Amino acid sequence: GAGVSQSPRYKVAKRGQDVALRCDPISGHVSLFWYQQALGQGPEFLTYFQNEAQLDKSGLPSDRFFAERPEGSVSTLKIQRTQQEDSAVYLCASSPRQVAYEQYFGPGTRLTVT
Amino acid sequence: EDKVVQSPLSLVVHEGDTVTLNCSYEVTNFRSLLWYKQEKKAPTFLFMLTSSGIEKKSGRLSSILDKKELFSILNITATQTGDSAVYLCAGGSGNTPLVFGKGTRLSVIA
Repeated sequence: GAGVSQSPRYKVAKRGQDVALRCDPISGHVSLFWYQQALGQGPEFLTYFQNEAQLDKSGLPSDRFFAERPEGSVSTLKIQRTQQEDSAVYLCASSPRQVAYEQYFGPGTRLTVT
Repeated sequence: EDKVVQSPLSLVVHEGDTVTLNCSYEVTNFRSLLWYKQEKKAPTFLFMLTSSGIEKKSGRLSSILDKKELFSILNITATQTGDSAVYLCAGGSGNTPLVFGKGTRLSVIA
């Protein structure tokens, strides 16, 4: 059953390290989203792709955050020079059509920056 | 700024009780309201509502949207311990990303 998968599931990074988080969306889904979820909060939008085009990156908190989806399927969220406030669960979701339609979430990557 | 507000933030009930979770929204060019259930992992999709007054049902769960008053409710009847989770509400316009509320944490005790 091919749902959204993410890797790694858990990542511990020392402050200042770079990390790369991977998302494999549901096959054929054109839209892909990245969210950041802090403890006790709802998911906060980071960025959105339609196929390989990054249509909205307004939620990326700083220029240390970068996302790509070069072939319109797998996406990578990269965080450079990690800081403690980057600690959160990073959720990826894909959708078969437009942004407002149902989104299917992956299990998330829990990032802890020490 | 678009926002979604859920209430209550947390709720404790006994098995068999019926609960109602609330979601109010302010979303520019609103198009759809979505409900998700989040246990320890990824949010799982429950409902998408686009039209006022039409109830959507799935087993013991149901939801309805009021586009005039800008809110939605999620009802769960005959609650079970497996219903314990955070329930997330999100609003979307169709050309902007979903805006999520903070969720309602439901705890069902035996």
